[in-house]
Amino acid sequence: DSGVTQTPKHLITATGQRVTLRCSPRSGDLSVYWYQQSLDQGLQFLIQYYNGEERAKGNILERFSAQQFPDLHSELNLSSLELGDSALYFCASSVEAGRGAEAFFGQGTRLTVV
Amino acid sequence: QKEVEQDPGPLSVPEGAIVSLNCTYSNSAFQYFMWYRQYSRKGPELLMYTYSSGNKEDGRFTAQVDKSSKYISLFIRDSQPSDSATYLCAMYGAYNFNKFYFGSGTKLNVKP
Repeated sequence: DSGVTQTPKHLITATGQRVTLRCSPRSGDLSVYWYQQSLDQGLQFLIQYYNGEERAKGNILERFSAQQFPDLHSELNLSSLELGDSALYFCASSVEAGRGAEAFFGQGTRLTVV
Repeated sequence: QKEVEQDPGPLSVPEGAIVSLNCTYSNSAFQYFMWYRQYSRKGPELLMYTYSSGNKEDGRFTAQVDKSSKYISLFIRDSQPSDSATYLCAMYGAYNFNKFYFGSGTKLNVKP
């Protein structure tokens, strides 16, 4: 168990809908990273937050947004969902913003858009 | 051209074999290199972390970085069926600690 908790584990929703994925980082970790993993794209970095502030942005669509709350948990919001958004979404956390190498991953949320 | 290229496999080997997994990359600014292991439907788990060129050994695992060739390798000695997983390489540069670049992963199957 990495100590990073993601909910829900599975999510099935229809196209055009909006969903929220939640991540609780390891105790003491200030940095949260979101990744998307689909079959044909591998693991794609989406966005990173550090202590409530956005620190880095990757290949995140405009339909997607994230935030990190004062208690350090983070939410990834996906809207106007398309079939191609079906993927595993991982959250990772680390102690310091610059020490991403020691990020610990959660078990992921499997999103299926039908 | 992708920043990081990794052969997706699958790679199938008999138990006890030496396994070689590789990634190539295009950005000469990358300095930090990692290997993650991902079991089916689980989150990636950090296996090895190296900085710049050279070798690093940890038990049956050896990570090798050749910056001149922009090539990194992970060797697994005495492979076991429990090593069957997808192995992902990842890297980033000192100019941007926060943005990782991942390979697509190589699926390894170690047959008993």
